[in-house]
Amino acid sequence: SAVISQKPSRDICQRGTSLTIQCQVDSQVTMMFWYRQQPGQSLTLIATANQGSEATYESGFVIDKFPISRPNLTFSTLTVSNMSPEDSSIYLCSVTGLAGELPSSSYEQYFGPGTRLTVT
Amino acid sequence: GESVGLHLPTLSVQEGDNSIINCAYSNSASDYFIWYKQESGKGPQFIIDIRSNMDKRQGQRVTVLLNKTVKHLSLQIAATQPGDSAVYLCAEDGFGNEKLTFGTGTRLTIIP
Repeated sequence: SAVISQKPSRDICQRGTSLTIQCQVDSQVTMMFWYRQQPGQSLTLIATANQGSEATYESGFVIDKFPISRPNLTFSTLTVSNMSPEDSSIYLCSVTGLAGELPSSSYEQYFGPGTRLTVT
Repeated sequence: GESVGLHLPTLSVQEGDNSIINCAYSNSASDYFIWYKQESGKGPQFIIDIRSNMDKRQGQRVTVLLNKTVKHLSLQIAATQPGDSAVYLCAEDGFGNEKLTFGTGTRLTIIP
């Protein structure tokens, strides 16, 4: 399995500011994703973080609002820009395709602990 | 749009009893389904998965059942323990590209 850490674990921010969330994995991975989990709701995929190229965004999410970087196979950042209270949420990164793992019939997508963001 | 939903948002079960958590999905083309457990303050943790060519799969104390006819997925937990208290999320990989669509979640509470 993978050990995934996120920084910060939580933050309280003022509207109009930006916050960058970091996701670090202890091994190289093929795929990295960013999800949002709003209070009382399910996880929603924001984007796929692509190493060395622009992220692939899902419908309803744009690069100007959620710029993403992925400089290597173990690290990614998500920035929440020009925040409003509606951005208050838990942001989670996830990974698949751990280096050295044998292909199997199962598909394990590992999640980080999440970053709890509150915008006031 | 396609969605994955749950029948019940909360479930309380006596310790030692079996738990059954249900999930309905709408994408008939989905090939892969996963159950996750999310404890408070943590990210989802993989429990068990099943492919669309299977009806049932068993793990340690857990069984996942897939009924493609009615597009229904269930998670059975045997001999529920206090440590099973969590939110359980079903998810589908509708397009085979590892992008998951999640259900809202069912909060399982164990009664001592």
